[in-house]
Amino acid sequence: GAVVSQHPSWVICKSGTSVKIECRSLDFQATTMFWYRQFPKQSLMLMATSNEGSKATYEQGVEKDKFLINHASLTLSTLTVTSAHPEDSSFYICSARTQGVGEKLFFGSGTQLSVL
Amino acid sequence: GESVGLHLPTLSVQEGDNSIINCAYSNSASDYFIWYKQESGKGPQFIIDIRSNMDKRQGQRVTVLLNKTVKHLSLQIAATQPGDSAVYFCAEIPNFGNEKLTFGTGTRLTIIP
Repeated sequence: GAVVSQHPSWVICKSGTSVKIECRSLDFQATTMFWYRQFPKQSLMLMATSNEGSKATYEQGVEKDKFLINHASLTLSTLTVTSAHPEDSSFYICSARTQGVGEKLFFGSGTQLSVL
Repeated sequence: GESVGLHLPTLSVQEGDNSIINCAYSNSASDYFIWYKQESGKGPQFIIDIRSNMDKRQGQRVTVLLNKTVKHLSLQIAATQPGDSAVYFCAEIPNFGNEKLTFGTGTRLTIIP
């Protein structure tokens, strides 16, 4: 089945630094990818929709200058958390949509970000 | 706003028994529903989906039931195994052209050996 690879699995960084998370569709092309955030024991909250070759669409309340999204190819979207602060510590998950008959959404394995 | 919610936050089931996880949704326009399984520290894993023109769909050991009259969704897992222990989320999509999933709060299923 379709596979979505997310890297890194976990990252620890100092406050004020930036962190980049990659999301790759390994065996299919994804014109649309999605980025979610999940706090402990809570559900997934959609942050933004990443569109290949165009600007991302952010959900209400998500700072676009804080969470930079780049979808430069049909198989790669990146999320950069800029000037990270402890409150940005969370589990970040991407998903990608297959195309054609039987479209489905597949999720990456997630990235646990801890900001010290 | 409209939301998808779950009736039970936790559920414990004896290994080998069947389990039922319930989900209520409020958007009557939703036409696509998905159940996901999430193990600790991992991303959601697709289990089964169902469209609004169906009321039942079966997979391997799993069955999803959709009752549009009362806007209720359930996931049945037969002959539960320890590996079934996880958090289960239902999610809805208003229409499949719009892939913005709305996730429920999740139910933690624990299989007792």
